[in-house]
Amino acid sequence: EDQVTQSPEALRLQEGESSSLNCSYTVSGLRGLFWYRQDPGKGPEFLFTLYSAGEEKEKERLKATLTKKESFLHITAPKPEDSATYLCAVTPQSGGGADGLTFGKGTHLIIQP
Amino acid sequence: DAGVIQSPRHEVTEMGQEVTLRCKPISGHNSLFWYRQTMMRGLELLIYFNNNVPIDDSGMPEDRFSAKMPNASFSTLKIQPSEPRDSAVYFCASTLQRGNTIYFGEGSWLTVV
Repeated sequence: EDQVTQSPEALRLQEGESSSLNCSYTVSGLRGLFWYRQDPGKGPEFLFTLYSAGEEKEKERLKATLTKKESFLHITAPKPEDSATYLCAVTPQSGGGADGLTFGKGTHLIIQP
Repeated sequence: DAGVIQSPRHEVTEMGQEVTLRCKPISGHNSLFWYRQTMMRGLELLIYFNNNVPIDDSGMPEDRFSAKMPNASFSTLKIQPSEPRDSAVYFCASTLQRGNTIYFGEGSWLTVV
């Protein structure tokens, strides 16, 4: 069974204080690892997809990296508007089972001014 | 471009009543997913359709839950009879093809009292 574990569950940072969020996964062959951002009262908003170990993607203050067992979402010099819950999800390589994503429970990030 | 559209956004109903949630996927997308989100369990995949055909409904919690996709632009998730433990946010999502990015709607907030 595919599993995704995110840590920490919650993180409070000062504006400008860089940090990283972790996503550990167990999947029977990884097709893709996805990062989403979810604001209160909204649906998850797509950020990145990573497909193979060593791959990196960047968007503004966010950078996602991938190894064979985990992914990191690095946040550089965050601003209060980066406050949100960040969700990690995986989809397996093989067909037959669900093609939907298996999600972690998320990291609730608060950036204080 | 219109995203995934869900209705109603909020519903409060009494235990035992029938609840129908509706979804219009992004035009041209051929896979549709229904997810449920709670604080305790996070985001869980309930069912997904490919080309209007249900492929995997192993996440549907009980026979009280049913989903249909009569055409490429419309899907429903029905709960009959509803129970207080069904209170959650229900998300619909769609994707162009297997393995691609999955886009979420804004969710339907269901409260069963």
